[in-house]
Amino acid sequence: AQTVTQSQPEMSVQEAETVTLSCTYDTSESDYYLFWYKQPPSRQMILVIRQEAYKQQNATENRFSVNFQKAAKSFSLKISDSQLGDAAMYFCAYPYYGGATNKLIFGTGTLLAVQP
Amino acid sequence: DGGITQSPKYLFRKEGQNVTLSCEQNLNHDAMYWYRQDPGQGLRLIYYSQIVNDFQKGDIAEGYSVSREKKESFPLTVTSAQKNPTAFYLCASSSPPRDYGYTFGSGTRLTVV
Repeated sequence: AQTVTQSQPEMSVQEAETVTLSCTYDTSESDYYLFWYKQPPSRQMILVIRQEAYKQQNATENRFSVNFQKAAKSFSLKISDSQLGDAAMYFCAYPYYGGATNKLIFGTGTLLAVQP
Repeated sequence: DGGITQSPKYLFRKEGQNVTLSCEQNLNHDAMYWYRQDPGQGLRLIYYSQIVNDFQKGDIAEGYSVSREKKESFPLTVTSAQKNPTAFYLCASSSPPRDYGYTFGSGTRLTVV
């Protein structure tokens, strides 16, 4: 069964510092995508970054980057130069596509606090 | 602008009542989803629909019902059989290709009073 695990319920980082959020997953597929979503206090889910499994290069979007280790099934998110606006809940997600069953599977989330 | 509209933003339900949460999208997406969010449990899938007039149960469908009569609309009814309905409900939609991700509405907070 496909699962997504985030082992850090809460994290804290100083403004301008770097923080890494962890995510592991389980799948039997060889080609797939992985996502990180941000949920700020407004509770609107925002797609932060996506990674395709067959691509060797780690995805980067401005201050956000991932460390994708396919063999280890690890997909961590690095936030560089943290800003106060980065404070939010972050969810790792795996889009499962199984014929008639297509769904986005979420981890339990990591609540990130940014200290000024 | 294209997007997903959920209404109402806040909803209060009395014991024994059915309530319906609205979800409308103008993205021309084929698939739509309802998720429930509780503290410490992430998002759990309630129901999803890949095409009009078809829908499937998710992981926690008991006490909920849906319909998909139009491509744009996917309302969720929380029935009196749902014993613990107080939660935040998110509607989402998606369409191929697979790397597109899912688009979410802004959510409805349901509280039992």
